This record gives sequence, C-alpha cells and structure tokens, in this order.
Amino acid sequence: EVQLVESGGGLVQPGGSLRLSCAASGFTFSSYEMNWVRQAPGKGLEWVSYISSSGSTIYYADSVKGRFTISRDNAKNSLYLQMNSLRAEDTAVYYCARDGRHRYFDYWGQGTLVTVSS
Amino acid sequence: SYVLTQPPSVSVAPGKTARITCGGNNIGSKSVHWYQQKPGQAPVLVIYYDSDRPSGIPERFSGSNSGNTATLTISRVEAGDEADYYCQVWDSSSDHAVFGGGTQLTVL
Repeated sequence: EVQLVESGGGLVQPGGSLRLSCAASGFTFSSYEMNWVRQAPGKGLEWVSYISSSGSTIYYADSVKGRFTISRDNAKNSLYLQMNSLRAEDTAVYYCARDGRHRYFDYWGQGTLVTVSS
Repeated sequence: SYVLTQPPSVSVAPGKTARITCGGNNIGSKSVHWYQQKPGQAPVLVIYYDSDRPSGIPERFSGSNSGNTATLTISRVEAGDEADYYCQVWDSSSDHAVFGGGTQLTVL
C-alpha cells in the first residue's frame, strides 16, 4: 500500500524558516517523481514544486521560487521542502503527492499545516 | 500563465447526472486530470488523462475533453459524491502544474 506521511509543520513567525518532510513507503520511491501541493485555509489547491526521480530536474511555482527548496533522499525514501523567508500567505496545509508518470498526482499524503503568524 | 476556470458550485439531485466543467484556452490539446476532495481529507485522483479511471473509482465517474472545455461527469449521483472537485493540467510552456479554482458539488 502506497503511503505518504508529511511532518514538520507548525507555527512560525514571518521571515522564519521551516523544513517539511514526507516519508514514502509501499512503492519504489527512487523511480517516481514527486511534488508538493498546498491549500490555504478555505481555498483551492496550489501546486508548489516538482522534483524528478533522480533530483536532477526541479520546478517551482512563481510564488515560492527563490524562497523554497525541494529535495529528496532516495536512500531514505524521503522528500523535503525547505521553506525560507516565510510570509503570511504561505499559511496552508502542505501535501506531498506522487507523480503518476505524467504530471498528475496519483497518491497524496494527509498533509501538514504550516501557519505563518506573529 | 495558463488559467483553468471552473464554476464555483454545482447542485444535483440524487440519482441524476452532474457535469462539472473546466475551461481553458485550447484545453483539448492538454491532458486533464480531476480530483475529489471531501472536507478535512486529502484530494483523491478520480480521472486522469481526460477520461481514465484509477482502480477503485466507480464507473459512474467519467471525463471528456475537447476544444476549450473539459468535463467531469458523475452519473447516478449519490450523497457520498458531495465534495469539492478540481481539474488540473501540466502547462509545458512554463513547466508548472495548474489547478482550477474548484467546484463544490452539492447533492440536494
């Protein structure tokens, strides 16, 4: 059974940093591309970032480019999102999502809440 | 950047057919994917590549895509189908995934 479990969310002040993790199991993690998708309270889904299976190709949404860094450790079956210079508008539930071979998201974690507030 | 437009809400009586649209410039040339999200839960993929269903998704869910509109059709709607539905494409010109704004399906 495919499982994605996010962790690392919490309350952080504006300008602060946070690192999210996503632990994957039930599939060959190193063979799959991965993504982060977020959802602000009461709002719709917003794609954040993509990373290829090897980590060699990375894309970011314009809203986070230059502030967030996606990475992965295939030996640890883990995906990460380093978030710096956080803003109030980054407040959201962050989901890790497996890429279903052609840029759609076939499995999602349960999400981790990030709150940016003073 | 590429924009996907969905109606904010759709209402349907039980047993009837619900159609949720997703508009975009020449969206028929892209692959469209659909997600269902119930309150407090993570999204679930219900349609990929315009009309394919993942295992475990009922045949009542179907999709189509042509011209400037993609459509998610839910036949014989049940109370359990009440949820938010999102369409999504990959915009290869910007290498970004794009979601529609979401449609809240209400079962009357």
